[in-house]
Amino acid sequence: QVQLVESGGGLVNPGGSLRLSCAASGFTFSDYYMSWIRQAPGKGLEWISYISGSSYINYADSVKGRFTISRDNAKNSLYLQMNSLRAEDTAVYYCARFGGGYEGWFDPWGQGTLVTVSS
Amino acid sequence: EIVLTQSPGTLSLSPGERATLSCRASQSVSSSYLAWYQQKPGQAPKLLIYGASSRATGIPDRFSGRGSGTDFTLTISRLESEDFAVYYCQQYGSSPYTFGQGTKLEIK
Repeated sequence: QVQLVESGGGLVNPGGSLRLSCAASGFTFSDYYMSWIRQAPGKGLEWISYISGSSYINYADSVKGRFTISRDNAKNSLYLQMNSLRAEDTAVYYCARFGGGYEGWFDPWGQGTLVTVSS
Repeated sequence: EIVLTQSPGTLSLSPGERATLSCRASQSVSSSYLAWYQQKPGQAPKLLIYGASSRATGIPDRFSGRGSGTDFTLTISRLESEDFAVYYCQQYGSSPYTFGQGTKLEIK
């Protein structure tokens, strides 16, 4: 079955960096747009980036210039390099597959990985 | 950026009752590119509806979505115990994709 598993979260100091990974299985990874979405503790959902199978990329303004999305289709993996981290980046980070072609509804989602930015 | 406003913030109902959740957009959502998700505590969101009215695979037919332009609705015809959760709408018609702030559906 389709499965997404995130890893790489943890505690990081303000200004630090972290790289998240998302391992995909159960579908032809290169055929799908993929996305990162985050949720601050007790808050709602925020879309932050997507990448097409051929690496067309889009970012939310809140992370543009600090975060970099990438993918390795040979490894069925999605990544998020996060630099210059701030306290407000503290959140659970989910990877998600676009549900249909280039339409940005998300299905399924991974279980999430928690990133805490604090000194 | 399209702002989505969900109402009510909290909805208190009993099992068997009908739930109506609203999602209003600050500008028209192109091609009815509107999705609904359910999130339970400690879990990732789960897709319910896409394209404003298409049910995702495996979603019971008591869940239905409708609307176009700026006004969208998610209806749960007869609430079951597992339906009590937080519901989010999301537009994907224009970048940046945005979510509503959520409606918490709680047991009365």
